[in-house]
Amino acid sequence: GAVVSQHPSRVICKSGTSVKIECRSLDFQATTMFWYRQFPKQSLMLMATSNEGSKATYEQGVEKDKFLINHASLTLSTLTVTSAHPEDSSFYICSAPRTDTQYFGPGTRLTVL
Amino acid sequence: AQRVTQPEKLLSVFKGAPVELKCNYSYSGSPELFWYVQYSRQRLQLLLRHISRESIKGFTADLNKGETSFHLKKPFAQEEDSAMYYCASRDGGATNKLIFGTGTLLAVQP
Repeated sequence: GAVVSQHPSRVICKSGTSVKIECRSLDFQATTMFWYRQFPKQSLMLMATSNEGSKATYEQGVEKDKFLINHASLTLSTLTVTSAHPEDSSFYICSAPRTDTQYFGPGTRLTVL
Repeated sequence: AQRVTQPEKLLSVFKGAPVELKCNYSYSGSPELFWYVQYSRQRLQLLLRHISRESIKGFTADLNKGETSFHLKKPFAQEEDSAMYYCASRDGGATNKLIFGTGTLLAVQP
């Protein structure tokens, strides 16, 4: 089956710094990728849709200047958490569709001190 | 707006007992519904979708438009079924995005 990877798997950073998370589709191309945020024991909240070659589409309530998304190629999307604060600590998950199925990355645990 | 509701946060059953994980949706158009599963320390993966009408690992789910439900069922639970189960609805437009329910943790006791 299709594989989606994320890097890093976990990151700890200081408050005020920026962190970049990569999402790659390893064996297929994806013009669209999705970024989710998952709080402990809660569901996945869709943050934004990453579109290759154009601007990302953000869900209501998600700050686009805070969570920068770049879909640089058909196999790579990046999420940059800018000026991170402790409340940004969370589990970030990406997914990419192939035909009718969404394939999910393993997630990135972000901890902001 | 689309909404997916899973009323149970936790469902605990004994091995061999029947399982039903509830899911209700609200969508004005023709919904596309899915069940995703997340085993401990693994990534989220597709379990089944309503359009394929298949049985995966003994699980089935029938779309009931009258009750706007898509409950997941298995007649005899196994310990390895213990996992987090998410019901999801896909946006009927071109975006292909998924809207998830809050998830139900299924715990199958020996």
